[in-house]
Amino acid sequence: NAGVTQTPKFRILKIGQSMTLQCTQDMNHNYMYWYRQDPGMGLKLIYYSVGAGITDKGEVPNGYNVSRSTTEDFPLRLELAAPSQTSVYFCASSNPGSYEQYFGPGTRLTVT
Amino acid sequence: GQNIDQPTEMTATEGAIVQINCTYQTSGFNGLFWYQQHAGEAPTFLSYNVLDGLEEKGRFSSFLSRSKGYSYLLLKELQMKDSASYLCAVNNNAGNMLTFGGGTRLMVKP
Repeated sequence: NAGVTQTPKFRILKIGQSMTLQCTQDMNHNYMYWYRQDPGMGLKLIYYSVGAGITDKGEVPNGYNVSRSTTEDFPLRLELAAPSQTSVYFCASSNPGSYEQYFGPGTRLTVT
Repeated sequence: GQNIDQPTEMTATEGAIVQINCTYQTSGFNGLFWYQQHAGEAPTFLSYNVLDGLEEKGRFSSFLSRSKGYSYLLLKELQMKDSASYLCAVNNNAGNMLTFGGGTRLMVKP
């Protein structure tokens, strides 16, 4: 199993551009999450999903959108990128019966 | 609201014992987690407490007191590779959502 994979690993965006961060898991987990982590800080939840077709906002959803058309994929969309969105983005997944979350390697995004 | 506090930084000596504290005030509670995160890497799961008491796993132990809103992670026989950030997180029972503290950066010196 590859676990949770994320692409790209690094990206530089200009202000106002948009992009999609990809996340895929091959563990058949129902739950998936997107977090952002600013330098020296903990993780903040952006969006989460409890199954295909179901998504909900986390703590910091503004400026982002998500979709969950399949169990495996949970892409995060940034529209009109702003410098405040410079961060490391982690995708994670888990099963309802197991509270442990498995994290992907992260995407380091810089908006200038 | 949700509030999770832990020290920002700690320093300890190789071979010693260190205790990292975490206090929390959350709207729901269904367990407390500790994750380890090496610089530039993803967090990895260390421990989970849902009942009061001590959970031991090798060199690492985690303690929970729900009435006090308090947990600690105890690391014994410190090794240089234990230099990392340690994240305390609370599960608030909604879709397995975790609320994270800011993390404690531990530096282990020879």
